Amino acid sequence: EPEVTQTPSHQVTQMGQEVILRCVPISNHLYFYWYRQILGQKVEFLVSFYNNEISEKSEIFDDQFSVERPDGSNFTLKIRSTKLEDSAMYFCASLYGTGELFFGEGSRLTVL
Amino acid sequence: AQSVAQPEDQVNVAEGNPLTVKCTYSVSGNPYLFWYVQYPNRGLQFLLKYITGDNLVKGSYGFEAEFNKSQTSFHLKKPSALVSDSALYFCAVRDRRNGGFKTIFGAGTRLFVKA
Repeated sequence: EPEVTQTPSHQVTQMGQEVILRCVPISNHLYFYWYRQILGQKVEFLVSFYNNEISEKSEIFDDQFSVERPDGSNFTLKIRSTKLEDSAMYFCASLYGTGELFFGEGSRLTVL
Repeated sequence: AQSVAQPEDQVNVAEGNPLTVKCTYSVSGNPYLFWYVQYPNRGLQFLLKYITGDNLVKGSYGFEAEFNKSQTSFHLKKPSALVSDSALYFCAVRDRRNGGFKTIFGAGTRLFVKA
């Protein structure tokens, strides 16, 4: 069964450092997303991406965040200068049409 | 704007008893509605969805949910709970008219099934 894969599973970084989280969505999906979950609580929408551009973003997704689909398979989330409050689980998801999101297993980011 | 409310932080039920996890939503148009489950240190797994048609939808692991347009609800149910159903459950909504296909999640309800 096709799946969304995310790397790394866990990253520890120092405050102020740049972090890139990587995702390989399901190959025939058209819409891509990043969500964030802090301490196993609410799943918060960050950004959606379609046709090689951001289609929608939340207020959390400020200038420190960016997304890119550099080739036909990878979808990345970059945090330019991490803050303590960026510590969270980051989930990538993809969608084909009107159906459900398919989620990866997540990347846990710890900012020290 | 779209939103989802899960009024219960936690639901406790005995194994073998029926369970209900509540969800209400708000969208400006007609909704797509979803339930997901999350086990510890895992991603979200899709359980079931309402897109159109029959208001009662059946999903994985014996779960079902009923779309009630007048009450704007989409409660998750199971006739007989298992200990293995213990997990975090999220209701989610997407506005059909939202071109960005943004899906919004509720705060989650933790289900404890006691043996």
